[in-house]
Amino acid sequence: DTGVSQDPRHKITKRGQNVTFRCDPISEHNRLYWYRQTLGQGPEFLTYFQNEAQLEKSRLLSDRFSAERPKGSFSTLEIQRTEQGDSAMYLCASSLLRQGPGGKLFFGSGTQLSVL
Amino acid sequence: AQSVTQLGSHVSVSEGALVLLRCNYSSSVPPYLFWYVQYPNQGLQLLLKYTTGATLVKGINGFEAEFKKSETSFHLTKPSAHMSDAAEYFCAVSEDFGNEKLTFGTGTRLTIIP
Repeated sequence: DTGVSQDPRHKITKRGQNVTFRCDPISEHNRLYWYRQTLGQGPEFLTYFQNEAQLEKSRLLSDRFSAERPKGSFSTLEIQRTEQGDSAMYLCASSLLRQGPGGKLFFGSGTQLSVL
Repeated sequence: AQSVTQLGSHVSVSEGALVLLRCNYSSSVPPYLFWYVQYPNQGLQLLLKYTTGATLVKGINGFEAEFKKSETSFHLTKPSAHMSDAAEYFCAVSEDFGNEKLTFGTGTRLTIIP
């Protein structure tokens, strides 16, 4: 169990640029989640995958955000035409189906995005 | 819609003293409730969870929480604080029992005074 890894740890970009983040979940985990956390707030759900299928997206998620999980392994989160309001910590988490009621999320350390 | 309120964004306790972190929830159905902890420069990790059954739930590192439906609360306690408990603690609720889509509170930063 090498844990959930996220790359990069930090990203600074200019407003209007596109950015892409990568998440590598724990290898046997079939579910992968993206959350966003802003200063002073708790993590906010964005989207999740079961294997390669994206099963749910938050209604709050702008069309500028897109996530993929090809082959049901790693995932990428892309933000197009970044805005200053996109500045946040982007968290990836994974879980194993049938971990019992409520499950258990394993979080990565996050990617801190700063939009100038 | 489900929501979580954590009272006190910062809590300080002396080493060896009782730790009490408060969480109240709002849910239209019997919820699943969670406490996650985030140590500096680390990802969040699950401390404990309540799904069904016994209302007093024991977690890792000596923490426990009690589900009180009448008070809509799920407070986290530890009898004796240790320096290593210094971290940020998040309460979370789930009404969607088929996945791990959680609604988190705003967090409580716990400081331990030597």
